[in-house]
Amino acid sequence: GQQLNQSPQSMFIQEGEDVSMNCTSSSIFNTWLWYKQDPGEGPVLLIALYKAGELTSNGRLTAQFGITRKDSFLNISASIPSDVGIYFCAGGRGSARQLTFGSGTQLTVLP
Amino acid sequence: DAGITQSPRYKITETGRQVTLMCHQTWSHSYMFWYRQDLGHGLRLIYYSAAADITDKGEVPDGYVVSRSKTENFPLTLESATRSQTSVYFCASQGAGDNSPLHFGNGTRLTVT
Repeated sequence: GQQLNQSPQSMFIQEGEDVSMNCTSSSIFNTWLWYKQDPGEGPVLLIALYKAGELTSNGRLTAQFGITRKDSFLNISASIPSDVGIYFCAGGRGSARQLTFGSGTQLTVLP
Repeated sequence: DAGITQSPRYKITETGRQVTLMCHQTWSHSYMFWYRQDLGHGLRLIYYSAAADITDKGEVPDGYVVSRSKTENFPLTLESATRSQTSVYFCASQGAGDNSPLHFGNGTRLTVT
């Protein structure tokens, strides 16, 4: 099946620091999505990207759809304790249905 | 409140037993999905449904059965549970628009002993 390589697998950062994570694939995707999962809950959509080169922000979060359509990154600026969780990238072909998910980045924010 | 609910939240069953995980959504979304989440694998699609009485296999369908007799419900059945099916299962729904976001339930943690 399609594979998404998400890195890093885990991150420990100090409160206030910026964070960057990314996903790469050998296949082209037409949609890139970023989700966050809190403990004991399902993933929640953070940012959706539908066009190559697109750069979209949602508060302190910024994500980009790579120009090659094979990668995407997510940046979080000025991290806060509630940013703790698992972040997943997901790629979609044709539409946002039948997504392929990355294996997740576990983010820990230290006070 | 409208939303997507899964039951049970936790389930322990024995190898060989049949178990059904329930999923109910109140948005009248056309599409519903079942994913399993395992360490190191992220979320993998088991089955999905585009509408009532229409279902299709995802990436990892073996050992699972689904049905969609009503738009709002999408149960997932393990006909003869195996230890490899120990996982966290997430149901999701999605509206008709191609780029409508997926809404996930809070998951069912299933342990097969």
